[in-house]
Amino acid sequence: YKLTQPRSVSVALGQTALIACDGSNIGAKSVHWYQQRPGQAPLLVIYDSINRPSGIPERFSGSNSGNTATMTISRAEDGDEADYYCQVWDSNTWLFGGGTMLTVL
Amino acid sequence: EVQLVESGGGSVRPGGSRRLSCAVSGLAFSNHEFNWVRQAPGKGLEWISSISSTGGNIYYADSVKGRFTVSRDNAQRSLYLQMSRLRTEDTGVYYCVTGSPPTTVWGLEYWGQGTLIAVSS
Repeated sequence: YKLTQPRSVSVALGQTALIACDGSNIGAKSVHWYQQRPGQAPLLVIYDSINRPSGIPERFSGSNSGNTATMTISRAEDGDEADYYCQVWDSNTWLFGGGTMLTVL
Repeated sequence: EVQLVESGGGSVRPGGSRRLSCAVSGLAFSNHEFNWVRQAPGKGLEWISSISSTGGNIYYADSVKGRFTVSRDNAQRSLYLQMSRLRTEDTGVYYCVTGSPPTTVWGLEYWGQGTLIAVSS
């Protein structure tokens, strides 16, 4: 099983960023998303495809259907500039997407 | 506050061995599955091993199977990764990771700060 993410996404300050994660019938899986800023450990921002952990702003949301899971960041801020990874559990392994570098312009 | 603190990183020669440890506090250690996730310099995240709460179920990525061994000591609230026959491609930051069970639903919420392994001659 493989997860495919765009290598980079750009978004204007205050606009909406969409980061896709493609996988075969991923809509049937629980997808998690992580944010990683330079020099820091990853931070869980979306779990079970659509839910936000405590402390994560409502600007972060997720959806999952068919072969694509998507994380949406509304009203993008400078602090959202980071690498983002999707993740699923499949065949007794955790799989990560290759990561997407989000640039806030 | 949940804390996961890795130790044991450093420089190792190719073919050598190293043992990583992860000391855990702030959660019911024996109820949690734990994972090791690594990140090569400038690269993405790579899961390498999981161990269930009892230690009865253990899984490895193909890249480390047969060379790495994960274990846990519930009494000591510690997780371990014994690494042998190290290769240059094993270089990276190694994270100790867990989450609320079942992590397949709740994701991996708790990460350590990571420990760096550098494999080089």
